[in-house]
Amino acid sequence: GDSVTQMEGPVTLSEEAFLTINCTYTATGYPSLFWYVQYPGEGLQLLLKATKADDKGSNKGFEATYRKETTSFHLEKGSVQVSDSAVYFCALRPSGTSYGKLTFGQGTILTVHP
Amino acid sequence: EPEVTQTPSHQVTQMGQEVILRCVPISNHLYFYWYRQILGQKVEFLVSFYNNEISEKSEIFDDQFSVERPDGSNFTLKIRSTKLEDSAMYFCASTSGPTQETQYFGPGTRLLVL
Repeated sequence: GDSVTQMEGPVTLSEEAFLTINCTYTATGYPSLFWYVQYPGEGLQLLLKATKADDKGSNKGFEATYRKETTSFHLEKGSVQVSDSAVYFCALRPSGTSYGKLTFGQGTILTVHP
Repeated sequence: EPEVTQTPSHQVTQMGQEVILRCVPISNHLYFYWYRQILGQKVEFLVSFYNNEISEKSEIFDDQFSVERPDGSNFTLKIRSTKLEDSAMYFCASTSGPTQETQYFGPGTRLLVL
């Protein structure tokens, strides 16, 4: 079945450091790919998405490119801030799904220190 | 900005008791979902609901679980006889369209079964 694998966490960085969180997936066809973020005490919020190969999703300085050849959707940010501290989830929605079920990775805890 | 709300934020119950988790989806949304996250594990899909019926459910969603939209605003998840392994964070989500639109998540209900 479909699955998503994220890099092991937690990740701890200093402010202004470069961030990469790896995400790879297994799915048939061309799923849509997402990054969700969860800030403390809040729900999952969509950070960015890509719906076809080679698409780049971007938001708030974060980027991720849909790589069909490596089945990856790695999250990057050039300069993290303390306010980026949160849990990040990679997810996919299978192609052809009628009802939109999401499959998630295990989440990566990011802590950014001043 | 409209948001999905969930109540209660935390619930503690004894094994074998019934619990009802409540969600208020975004008002013009038509597709509703429950997911759960056992501590330290992935966010897992439980069920999707559309047009007053279950559209898809996972293997986790057995006869102990049920969902209902009792009125025009609430969406509930009932666990009839809770088990220790039901302890998890339960997330509700909604969307206006299942394949192209973003799923909006609530902040979750943390359920602890003793």
